[in-house]
Amino acid sequence: SQTIHQWPATLVQPVGSPLSLECTVEGTSNPNLYWYRQAAGRGLQLLFYSVGIGQISSEVPQNLSASRPQDRQFILSSKKLLLSDSGFYLCAWNPGTGGGQPQHFGDGTRLSIL
Amino acid sequence: QKEVEQNSGPLSVPEGAIASLNCTYSDRVSQSFFWYRQYSGKSPELIMSIYSNGDKEDGRFTAQLNKASQYVSLLIRDSQPSDSATYLCAASRRGGSQGNLIFGKGTKLSVKP
Repeated sequence: SQTIHQWPATLVQPVGSPLSLECTVEGTSNPNLYWYRQAAGRGLQLLFYSVGIGQISSEVPQNLSASRPQDRQFILSSKKLLLSDSGFYLCAWNPGTGGGQPQHFGDGTRLSIL
Repeated sequence: QKEVEQNSGPLSVPEGAIASLNCTYSDRVSQSFFWYRQYSGKSPELIMSIYSNGDKEDGRFTAQLNKASQYVSLLIRDSQPSDSATYLCAASRRGGSQGNLIFGKGTKLSVKP
């Protein structure tokens, strides 16, 4: 069966510091991968998605970036965090073949910026 | 009209009652719909998928899809306090990346003992 791992679970970072969040999926090949952010009490905001290695689509322009160095690895990065980057970051995947598939989420990273 | 819309609630029902959660969608979404449950502080968990018109039942949950009226609903029978959570409706995006989903903002359900 497929599993998705996301770490760390919580992170406290100072303003201006760099960020790296990692997500890996097991038990499947060529998945679609997604990064979402959920601010407190708000809906899911799609940040990036990837349909293959090195293929990244950005949904919202901001100081975050994403990379997919391996088929089942998705990384969210920032060179300099802002206070507004605080939130709950979620990685998700669904099969790369066939449309209309549900997404499955990792446990998330709660990021607090001080 | 937003692509996927939900009443934010909160929806409060007594224990044992039927909770009815509704979602409407626009022409910009495709015909695959999903319900997720999100407990406070946790990630969304898929609980139902529905692809064709009509009802789909899974235990205490029933998803209903009405394409003519462009709405999808989730019924929870015999509601329990453990069902208290935010329920997200999602639909696949028409065109573009076929894997993308459009999420509603969620309806917060509170089941009172």
